[in-house]
Amino acid sequence: DTGVSQDPRHKITKRGQNVTFRCDPISEHNRLYWYRQTLGQGPEFLTYFQNEAQLEKSRLLSDRFSAERPKGSFSTLEIQRTEQGDSAMYLCASSSGRKQETQYFGPGTRLLVL
Amino acid sequence: AQTVTQSQPEMSVQEAETVTLSCTYDTSENNYYLFWYKQPPSRQMILVIRQEAYKQQNATENRFSVNFQKAAKSFSLKISDSQLGDTAMYFCAFIITQGGSEKLVFGKGTKLTVNP
Repeated sequence: DTGVSQDPRHKITKRGQNVTFRCDPISEHNRLYWYRQTLGQGPEFLTYFQNEAQLEKSRLLSDRFSAERPKGSFSTLEIQRTEQGDSAMYLCASSSGRKQETQYFGPGTRLLVL
Repeated sequence: AQTVTQSQPEMSVQEAETVTLSCTYDTSENNYYLFWYKQPPSRQMILVIRQEAYKQQNATENRFSVNFQKAAKSFSLKISDSQLGDTAMYFCAFIITQGGSEKLVFGKGTKLTVNP
């Protein structure tokens, strides 16, 4: 049983460029979450999918951010017109459909915006 | 407000000794789950232990145990017989359910160093 995987692991980009991250959840998990973690802080919730439906978006997710999970399997998180303040670790997690089940995290994508 | 407070930014312990990490939280919900996650340097976050709020018995997982005080909204983690591999950031979190979605609310973490 493979864990949650994320790609790429590291991304360096220039301000104003668009970036896209991918997350592959544990195969039988129908819930998928994105979190953002800045230096010295705990992860903060960004958005949540149950199957292909995006059920909640945090206020942290500005209009420049968009997330999709088109077939209820992998998910992508796109940031348009990146800003230096977007530099952070972007974490993906997945869980089964049971209520308040444990979330399992991927290794994260570390983004640096120059 | 749904918040988690970890009042110890950094702690250190000698190998083989016991250490306790503190966590307090605030929620108006009655049913929730509490978690301790471990994030080793440059490695992914992994679950250490979880506690259902409706259970009075404290959870244990091998060398890891919790002291859950629901009335005080306190959820501390005790690590016994500390090992060098326990060196990591430790995050306390609870899961809340709002409008059909669920999300983890994390504290800022405690950096634990186990010294040889």
